[in-house]
Amino acid sequence: DVKVTQSSRYLVKRTGEKVFLECVQDMDHENMFWYRQDPGLGLRLIYFSYDVKMKEKGDIPEGYSVSREKKERFSLILESASTNQTSMYLCASRPGLAGGWQYFGPGTRLTVT
Amino acid sequence: SQQGEEDPQALSIQEGENATMNCSYKTSINNLQWYRQNSGRGLVHLILIRSNEREKHSGRLRVTLDTSKKSSSLLITASRAADTASYFCATGVSSGTYKYIFGTGTRLKVLA
Repeated sequence: DVKVTQSSRYLVKRTGEKVFLECVQDMDHENMFWYRQDPGLGLRLIYFSYDVKMKEKGDIPEGYSVSREKKERFSLILESASTNQTSMYLCASRPGLAGGWQYFGPGTRLTVT
Repeated sequence: SQQGEEDPQALSIQEGENATMNCSYKTSINNLQWYRQNSGRGLVHLILIRSNEREKHSGRLRVTLDTSKKSSSLLITASRAADTASYFCATGVSSGTYKYIFGTGTRLKVLA
């Protein structure tokens, strides 16, 4: 079974802090994604990566950056956390084939105070 | 640029009844997927239907796709309390790179 893990289930940070969210997948998938999920808004794509060191902006990249130095790991970085970044963050991976399933991690609920 | 919209937003039914939820989208798609999310957890894929397919079954799940109306429906037959979850459609769009756009979800509650 594909396994996608995220470094924390719950995280509380202060405004202005730099925050790292880590995601690791064990199935050698080329594509990895970061979403945030907010009530009434569904899942919105922040960034995705289709190869090591490659990244593309999603629909809401402002205030975020990403890093993919190794194929299995995709990090989401909040350079200076703000209260409006309080959300559930979901990581997903997918094989290189277009149209394949996305496999999701359990999510990180981030609270910025 | 939200692509999918689910309807209804919330649904409450009795165990044993069927549950139907709908998804509408805006542009051409390669495929459409349905996912389930249990409270506070990640999403789990349920079923994928390609743009050239009209109907697909998997166990108690039945998905239809009408590309002329840009809509899909998910039917869960003989629902169980364990089906209580949020259900999302995701449309696969190829525009340079390939990505999925998720809808806002339907919250299903199955009462025992």
